[in-house]
This record gives sequence, C-alpha cells and structure tokens, in this order.
Amino acid sequence: DVKVTQSSRYLVKRTGEKVFLECVQDMDHENMFWYRQDPGLGLRLIYFSYDVKMKEKGDIPEGYSVSREKKERFSLILESASTNQTSMYLCASSLYSTGTLYNSPLHFGNGTRLTVT
Amino acid sequence: EDQVTQSPEALRLQEGESSSLNCSYTVSGLRGLFWYRQDPGKGPEFLFTLYSAGEEKEKERLKATLTKKESFLHITAPKPEDSATYLCAVQAGFNKFYFGSGTKLNVKP
Repeated sequence: DVKVTQSSRYLVKRTGEKVFLECVQDMDHENMFWYRQDPGLGLRLIYFSYDVKMKEKGDIPEGYSVSREKKERFSLILESASTNQTSMYLCASSLYSTGTLYNSPLHFGNGTRLTVT
Repeated sequence: EDQVTQSPEALRLQEGESSSLNCSYTVSGLRGLFWYRQDPGKGPEFLFTLYSAGEEKEKERLKATLTKKESFLHITAPKPEDSATYLCAVQAGFNKFYFGSGTKLNVKP
C-alpha cells in the first residue's frame, strides 16, 4: 500500500512566521502535490512536482513555495504566514505513465490542519 | 470550462436504504475518473478508478459506474460506518485533476 506521511497533524503559527509543511511518500512516485481544502471551496492545487527539483504552479500558488530535494520528500513553505492561509493542507503522490498518458490515482496523506493567528 | 459537479451536497439515509451519488463532468480528454472517501479530519482515501464509459467497479456495498458525461456511486444497504464525504475527481491531462466538492453521506442506524 502507498503510504504518504505528513509530519504534523495540527500546527498553530503566528502571522508573519515562516512555516514548513513536510510530506514523505514511500512508493517511489515521481509526482507529488500540495492541495489545500476549505469548506465550500473543495480541494485546490497549490503546487505539484514531477521530478526532483522540478515544480509547477497550481491554481493558487501565491504566498507559497515548494522544495523537492529528494524524490520521496516534498515540502510546502509559507514564507510569511497570514490568517487567510488557515486551512487543511493535503499532500498527495501519483505515478504517471508516459506510454498511456494516465496518472495513477492520487494517494493522500492524512493532512495538516494549520491555524494562523 | 472544465468542471466536476457532485450531487446531492448532502444525503441522509436510514441503515439499509440504498441510494446513488452523482458526479457529472464537463472535461475534455478524460483520462480517468476517481472516487474517494473522506472521513472528518483525514485525507481522502482512494476507492475506485474508472477509465471508459460502461466500466463498473465494486467494493463491498459500493459500486461505481461511468458514462460519457457522469459517474454514479451506488450504495447498497448502507451501514452507519459508510457515513463520510465522497469525492469524485477527473484526470484531464498531465497531473491535472479536477475535484468535485463532495457529497456528505450520513447513514442513521
């Protein structure tokens, strides 16, 4: 079974702090994703990475950056946390076949609920 | 515009009362449709993948079907432990997924 592990279940940070959210997957997937989930807005993609050191912006990248130094690890960074970044953050991983052009299902971690005060 | 719409937003059932959840999509170039279950405070848990119209998948009391415009998640004789939010997602390109906003299912004993 694919396992995606997010380092913290709950975090409380102050406005202006730099925040690191860490995610590790154990299935050698090339693709990793960061989403945030808010009531009424569903899941929104922040960034994804398709290889080590490679990244692409998603739908809502403003205020965030990412780092992928190793294949199994994908970090989300909030450079200066703000209250509107209070949310549930979900990391996911997936395989992509260049032959069939299909992704395997996204496998999610259990989320980090971040509160910025 | 590519989008995924789930209905109803919420569904209350009595234990044993079968029903269906709907996921309709307007996405060009469908590569796959995925169903997930999400319990409160947890990440979505993968249930099924469907790739082509006419395909069906089953797991215990759940059965997913796919047409060219929509997918249904049929729940037969549900139990209280089936209570959760069910999410539908569509893959439309390289690492490109569109999610619906989910159906919150509540099964009363």
